[in-house]
Order: sequence, then C-alpha cells, then structure tokens
Amino acid sequence: EVQLVESGGGLVEPGGSLRLSCAASGFSFSNYAMSWVRQAPGKGLEWVSAISGSDYGIWYADSAKGRFTISRDNSKNTLYLQMNSLRADDTAIYFCAKDSQGNGGHDFDYWGQGSLVTVSS
Amino acid sequence: EIVMTQSPATLSVSPGERATLSCRASQSISSSNLAWHNLAWYQQKPGQSPRLLIYGASIRATGIPVRFSGSGSGTEFTLTISSLQSEDFAVYYCQQYADWPLTFGGGTKVEIK
Repeated sequence: EVQLVESGGGLVEPGGSLRLSCAASGFSFSNYAMSWVRQAPGKGLEWVSAISGSDYGIWYADSAKGRFTISRDNSKNTLYLQMNSLRADDTAIYFCAKDSQGNGGHDFDYWGQGSLVTVSS
Repeated sequence: EIVMTQSPATLSVSPGERATLSCRASQSISSSNLAWHNLAWYQQKPGQSPRLLIYGASIRATGIPVRFSGSGSGTEFTLTISSLQSEDFAVYYCQQYADWPLTFGGGTKVEIK
C-alpha cells in the first residue's frame, strides 16, 4: 500500500523558515518523481515544486522560486521542501504527491494527508 | 503559463442525476496528433486529500467506478458522472501536465440539490 506521510508544518513568523518532510512507503521511491502541492484555506490546489526520481530534474512555480528548495533522499525514501522567507500568503496545507511516472510533469496518483503551514506574527 | 478554467463553479444535482463538469485550457494540452491529452481530474472531499479519478483525459485511475468518465481534446474537456451517488458530492479539479508550471483549475463544487 502506497503511503505518503508529511511532517514539519506549524506556525512560523513572516520571514521565517520551515522544512517539510514526506516519508514514502509502499512503492519504489527512487523510480518516481514527486511534487509538493499546496492549498490555501478555502481555496483551490496550487502546484509548488517537483523533482524527478533520479534528481536530475527540478521545477518550481514562480511563487516558490528563490525561496523554496525541493530535495529528496532516496536512501531514506523521503521528500523535502525547505521554505525560506515565508510570507502570509504561503499559509496553506502542503500536500506531498507522487507522480505517476519517473521523469516528472504528469498526473498525481497518490497524495499525502497534508501538513498545515501557518505564517503569522 | 497554461490557465485552466473550470465551469460552473458550483453544480447542484439530485442523487441519481447526471453531472457534467467542464474544464478549458488557455492553449492546447493535447499532442499534435491528438492521440494523447495531458489532463487529469481529481476529486476532493472536505478534510481529505485529492484523489485521482481520470488521467490522459479519459482513462479511469485504478478503482474508480465506471460512472466517472472523461472526454475532450485540445482545449476543451469534460468530466461526466453518469448517476450521482451520495459519496460523489465533492469538489472536482482538473489539472494540465502538458507544460511547466503544472496548473489546476479553480474547481467545481458538486452539491446536493
């Protein structure tokens, strides 16, 4: 059974940093691209960043460029999102999502339960 | 950036009725020979994560009931729920994966009439 479990969310002040983790199990993690998708309270889905299975490809939404860094540790089956210079409009539930293929840029066939990030003073 | 526009924003349907949801892309998200369409549909219920329903515009994901069907090509796509069950009342999102950044539509909420 595929499982994606996010952690690391919480309350942070504007300008602060946070690192999200997503522990994956039930599939061959290194063979699949992974993404972070967020959802602001009461709003729709917004793709944030993606990383290919082998790490050669990394992509960011404009809203994340220069502030967020996606990475993965295939030996630990874990996906990360380092978020710096956080703003109030980064407040959202952050979902970890598994790409249906290895090279990124496809549909997401499995999602985690999400981790809430709240940016507020 | 490819902008995805869903309509209507809210759809009121009685159980057992048919629901038709639309998704329009700002540019073509199909291959040049129209053999492949880079569009997915997701269902999200309150407090839950999204669930993949359809990919490739018309291919049901594993375990998705046959009452869900997708169609369309180019810039116009449709999700049809043939006979709404109580568990189908939710928000539905389309997503394009023809180009970066990946983008979602704003969602259609299917509510009980």
